[in-house]
Amino acid sequence: KAGVTQTPRYLIKTRGQQVTLSCSPISGHRSVSWYQQTPGQGLQFLFEYFSETQRNKGNFPGRFSGRQFSNSRSEMNVSTLELGDSALYLCASRGTPTNYGYTFGSGTRLTVV
Amino acid sequence: QQQVKQSPQSLIVQKGGISIINCAYENTAFDYFPWYQQFPGKGPALLIAIRPDVSEKKEGRFTISFNKSAKQFSLHIMDSQPGDSATYFCAASIKALSNFGNEKLTFGTGTRLTIIP
Repeated sequence: KAGVTQTPRYLIKTRGQQVTLSCSPISGHRSVSWYQQTPGQGLQFLFEYFSETQRNKGNFPGRFSGRQFSNSRSEMNVSTLELGDSALYLCASRGTPTNYGYTFGSGTRLTVV
Repeated sequence: QQQVKQSPQSLIVQKGGISIINCAYENTAFDYFPWYQQFPGKGPALLIAIRPDVSEKKEGRFTISFNKSAKQFSLHIMDSQPGDSATYFCAASIKALSNFGNEKLTFGTGTRLTIIP
């Protein structure tokens, strides 16, 4: 059974640019969450999508957005990149929000220069 | 506002010893407490989890102890092995207001565990 797949694994962008990250959940999982991991702030919740609807949102500026497609794949977008957006972005899937256990992908390492 | 406090920040244990990591929470609405293990270059992996209706849960060498009145929970790794060297995160989540599932995970700051021979 394939795990959570995130692409790309590494990304280097320039300040002011925008970026789109992709996540394919475990087959059959319909809930996808995104987390940002940095040495200073740790793991911070960005948002969760279930059945193509945003179910919950963390305390991040509007530059951070996401969406989910009918096949449960999800993308997150960050516009007008800032140096502080450099982080490991993790995607996690679960069957539905009633399933407690999340499975995380290996993440996308974003570096903003 | 940090709602889950984790200690210590780093821990060195001899092979065969017991590793203990502690977490404390503030929000009494939390009703699910997982521990995650993360290796370099990988995402966190669920290790073991507990609900507040039990005081202890054991899976192999890993045990969660839960103290609801003190709002604390801890991870014990028995017979620690070099392969256990990783970063460990405690986390917590609350039941959704809609009563449909649980909300986001709130993570502790992590403990870097090193097991030395």
